[in-house]
Amino acid sequence: DGGITQSPKYLFRKEGQNVTLSCEQNLNHDAMYWYRQDPGQGLRLIYYSQIVNDFQKGDIAEGYSVSREKKESFPLTVTSAQKNPTAFYLCASSETGYNEQFFGPGTRLTVL
Amino acid sequence: AQSVTQLDSHVSVSEGTPVLLRCNYSSSYSPSLFWYVQHPNKGLQLLLKYTSAATLVKGINGFEAEFKKSETSFHLTKPSAHMSDAAEYFCVVTTMDSSYKLIFGSGTRLLVRP
Repeated sequence: DGGITQSPKYLFRKEGQNVTLSCEQNLNHDAMYWYRQDPGQGLRLIYYSQIVNDFQKGDIAEGYSVSREKKESFPLTVTSAQKNPTAFYLCASSETGYNEQFFGPGTRLTVL
Repeated sequence: AQSVTQLDSHVSVSEGTPVLLRCNYSSSYSPSLFWYVQHPNKGLQLLLKYTSAATLVKGINGFEAEFKKSETSFHLTKPSAHMSDAAEYFCVVTTMDSSYKLIFGSGTRLLVRP
């Protein structure tokens, strides 16, 4: 069954802690993306990767880091430098650039 | 630069009546355009896409959209709303530079009254 999986579904973090959100795809897509969604707002791009071992900052990369060591995996780390991390995080993938993106189910991160 | 504007933040219809969600875009090139739907606390699902083939695009769940270059519009329609259509809808345009980014509209929340 092809698709994108994100884990965990809900994540709670204490202030000052780093947390890592998982994103895995078995669609054999080259490109992967991380978005942040705040209540009542659209999606904002955090990081994207067009190919393994390469990634670029999106519009709101400060306080986040990523890696792309494998084609199927694109984990996102929310660091303590991110001042307001409570949000809904969505991972997506596409076959290549310019193609439609397919989204995972999301991870809701709450800072306590 | 590319941009997309969703003209209504909320649309309310009665079940069984037509749906119209409006989207205008700005692009220097022939864009690729998409409509996505998001149900509460879920990821986004692709409804349909336009990629310079037929101007009338049919999607899933009875939705369709018409690309009108002269009006720079890509409105989403459905002949008869169902309760399960209640969700947030996003109009999306691709950038045409090397960043391959998607540019999202701010979203339209569709409410369906019984």
